[in-house]
Amino acid sequence: AQKITQTQPGMFVQEKEAVTLDCTYDTSDPSYGLFWYKQPSSGEMIFLIYQGSYDQQNATEGRYSLNFQKARKSANLVISASQLGDSAMYFCAMRWGGGSNYKLTFGKGTLLTVNP
Amino acid sequence: NAGVTQTPKFQVLKTGQSMTLQCAQDMNHNSMYWYRQDPGMGLRLIYYSASEGTTDKGEVPNGYNVSRLNKREFSLRLESAAPSQTSVYFCASTYHQGSSFYGYTFGSGTRLTVV
Repeated sequence: AQKITQTQPGMFVQEKEAVTLDCTYDTSDPSYGLFWYKQPSSGEMIFLIYQGSYDQQNATEGRYSLNFQKARKSANLVISASQLGDSAMYFCAMRWGGGSNYKLTFGKGTLLTVNP
Repeated sequence: NAGVTQTPKFQVLKTGQSMTLQCAQDMNHNSMYWYRQDPGMGLRLIYYSASEGTTDKGEVPNGYNVSRLNKREFSLRLESAAPSQTSVYFCASTYHQGSSFYGYTFGSGTRLTVV
């Protein structure tokens, strides 16, 4: 069964430092997609970054990069130069399925706190 | 503004009452989803609709029903609310054709409390 595991319930980082949020996934499908979302205390879901299973290079979006290690089934999010506004819940998710039926499965999340 | 609109934003129900959560998107998306978010559990899929006229169960469908009224609207109904259904509910939509897709858009959520 498809599953996303985030093993870090909470993480702390100093402002301006880099932080890595861990995500491992389990699927037997050859085609899938991996996402990271940010959820601030206001509650909305904010898309950060996407990596397709066939993408050769790791995805990057500004200060966000996705460290995709396919053989290890990991898709860690790296945030460089952390800012106070990065304090939020972060979710890893996987898109899977086929034909016209695709689902998006989420991990339980990591609460990131950026300290000044 | 284009996006996913959920109503209501907040609701308090008494145990046994029924209600319908509404979701509408104006982006011509073909797939729509309902999730619930509980502390420490992430977002769990309740039901989804891959296309107009079809609905399927997700991970936690018990106690819920859905209707894909048309391409724009996907409603979630609680027939007899229970305290265990206290949660934040998110609707999401996406457009996909074959293996290509164009990202997911989430609504702002409905905070439901069942007392």
